[in-house]
Amino acid sequence: EDQVTQSPEALRLQEGESSSLNCSYTVSGLRGLFWYRQDPGKGPEFLFTLYSAGEEKEKERLKATLTKKESFLHITAPKPEDSATYLCAVEENSGYSTLTFGKGTMLLVSP
Amino acid sequence: NAGVTQTPKFQVLKTGQSMTLQCAQDMNHNSMYWYRQDPGMGLRLIYYSASEGTTDKGEVPNGYNVSRLNKREFSLRLESAAPSQTSVYFCASSEYRNTEAFFGQGTRLTVV
Repeated sequence: EDQVTQSPEALRLQEGESSSLNCSYTVSGLRGLFWYRQDPGKGPEFLFTLYSAGEEKEKERLKATLTKKESFLHITAPKPEDSATYLCAVEENSGYSTLTFGKGTMLLVSP
Repeated sequence: NAGVTQTPKFQVLKTGQSMTLQCAQDMNHNSMYWYRQDPGMGLRLIYYSASEGTTDKGEVPNGYNVSRLNKREFSLRLESAAPSQTSVYFCASSEYRNTEAFFGQGTRLTVV
């Protein structure tokens, strides 16, 4: 069973059409949850870190939220330049753990 | 600032050949990582170095070795390449273990 599951796998939006991406996790204790953006042919770019349930962070049209079982990345009034793959990663609260990444959600925003 | 620089960007190897992927960061970060990214698999950690002088195995270390040459440089070596090692390899660094990571542009490796 995957520890980190992202949904949907792909999402197509019209410019201005708000939506949310989901990242659910099954680790027993969460130390941190990370969101990254990845453009085609490039390395991931850091967006947010969330540490506790109820925490929210915003950057431009993106807002990330965290509950005890999942995180949402809300995209408000997206623009074509928001098109990318969005990756979620979790760090388990267990000794010297490392990050476990989900498979990503590929977002395409059409003009 | 260049950030994280990986070389080469593309490489084709024959089965059994060896090669070293180079990575350097100029942000004075303590931690460095090597990931591979395959279609449908997401990013998987190969090895990491939490601080200069230490290296540890990640999720998929078999067939790879690493060297933390100094605080700036972290190399990944394939001793005898196999087709299963065809992938895109990313190096990353962070100030401390599991904090905001900065990634390189990636190395696209094909083993034939």
